Amino acid sequence: GQSLEQPSEVTAVEGAIVQINCTYQTSGFYGLSWYQQHDGGAPTFLSYNALDGLEETGRFSSFLSRSDSYGYLLLQELQMKDSASYFCAVRAHSGNTPLVFGKGTRLSVIA
Amino acid sequence: NAGVMQNPRHLVRRRGQEARLRCSPVKGHSHVYWYRQLPEEGLKFMVYLQKENIIDESGMPKERFSAEFPKEGPSILRIQQVVRGDSAAYFCASSPQDRGKREQFFGPGTRLTVL
Repeated sequence: GQSLEQPSEVTAVEGAIVQINCTYQTSGFYGLSWYQQHDGGAPTFLSYNALDGLEETGRFSSFLSRSDSYGYLLLQELQMKDSASYFCAVRAHSGNTPLVFGKGTRLSVIA
Repeated sequence: NAGVMQNPRHLVRRRGQEARLRCSPVKGHSHVYWYRQLPEEGLKFMVYLQKENIIDESGMPKERFSAEFPKEGPSILRIQQVVRGDSAAYFCASSPQDRGKREQFFGPGTRLTVL
C-alpha cells in the first residue's frame, strides 16, 4: 500500500519558524511535493524534492532524505496568511503520474 | 493566462440523480487528473486521462463513476445515481506533456452535496 504520515495540527506564533514533517511508505519514489490549501480553496504547489537535501524558496524550504523516507517543510517568519492546510505528496512512478497525498497538517498561526 | 477551470463550483443533487463535473485544464496541458477530498482528509486520486484516453482509473469506483477527456472540450467526471457518500470536493488538476515537470496545477474544485 501507499501511506504518508504527517501531524494533523500545528500551532505557531506569528514571526516564528515551524517545521512540518512527512514520512512515507510507497511502492516507488520519484519525488516529494508540498501543497498549501486554504479553507475552501484549491491546493497550490509550494515545493518539490527529487534528490536529498534542502530546497529553499523565499520563506519556505523543503528537505528530503530518501534513505529515511522522510521530508519536511519549513516555514520561516510566519504570517497570519500562512494559516492553512499543508499536504505532502509523493510521485510514486516516473513521468506524469498521479500524486499520493498525505492527510494534511492544519497550521494555525496565532498573534 | 487562465489556470484550471472547473464548473460548477457547487452542485447539489438528490439521491439517485446524476452529477456532471467539468474541468478545463491549463491551455496546452494534455494530462488531467481527478481527485476527491472528504472533509479533513487529503486528496485521493481517482483517474488520470490524456486526450481521448484513460491512462489510470485505479482510484475510481467500479460502478456509477466514469470520466472522459475528449479531443475537443473539457474533461467530464460523471457520477450516476449519486448517494450521500459521494458528497465531497472534487478537484481536477493538469500538467504539461514535458516529463520531469514537478507540479500539478489544481482547479478550484466542485463541491458536491447529495441530499
